[in-house]
Amino acid sequence: QVQLQESDPGLVKPSETLSLTCTVSGGSISSYYWSWIRQPPGKGLEWIGSFYYSGRTNYNPSLKSRVTISLDTSKNQFSLKLSSVTAADTAVYYCARGTPLTGYPSYYFDYWGQGTLVTVSS
Amino acid sequence: SSELTQDPAVSVALGQTVRITCQGDSLRTYYASWYQVKPGQAPVLVIYGKNNRPSGIPDRFSGSSSGNTASLTITGAQAEDEADYYCNSRDSSGNYNYVFGTGTKVTVL
Repeated sequence: QVQLQESDPGLVKPSETLSLTCTVSGGSISSYYWSWIRQPPGKGLEWIGSFYYSGRTNYNPSLKSRVTISLDTSKNQFSLKLSSVTAADTAVYYCARGTPLTGYPSYYFDYWGQGTLVTVSS
Repeated sequence: SSELTQDPAVSVALGQTVRITCQGDSLRTYYASWYQVKPGQAPVLVIYGKNNRPSGIPDRFSGSSSGNTASLTITGAQAEDEADYYCNSRDSSGNYNYVFGTGTKVTVL
């Protein structure tokens, strides 16, 4: 059974960089789109970005200038860095696995971490 | 447009059928996937592709698509189906960018 677990940075100060790591267990980190998704309090889900194991990355255009997602296959982990954070970045952050839809140029998120609340506050 | 629009809320009587819709230009090209979100819990994939259910998802959940609209139908809604539901798809940019719908709160009466 594939399991994903986010690290817990808790509180991040405004203007600093938010760093999260997701550890993948029970499955290979290859051939999937490793993704970050967030949900601000009382709001909907927002896709942040995805990293395909071959090295291709795609980011939400609204966050692209501040986001970096990377993969560490030796540790079965992938990471999120979001720079210059503000209170608007306060959210529950989820890591998720994107699995290609057979025969179609898209994927779906079949495994999710439990989520971690990141609060941006001084 | 890269937006996916859903009705904010719907209600359904216990045991009855409810349909949740998701509208967006990208749905003319790409299938939607659907996620159930309960308070304090991680999202759960309930439908993907044309009409596929992951293992463990009851067969009362089904999906369909027509034109720019994707639909999730719950046939014989149960109390445990009360949750927020989000659609998700690639956007129309041509890149592998994704967008979630605005979400629908389903209340089971």
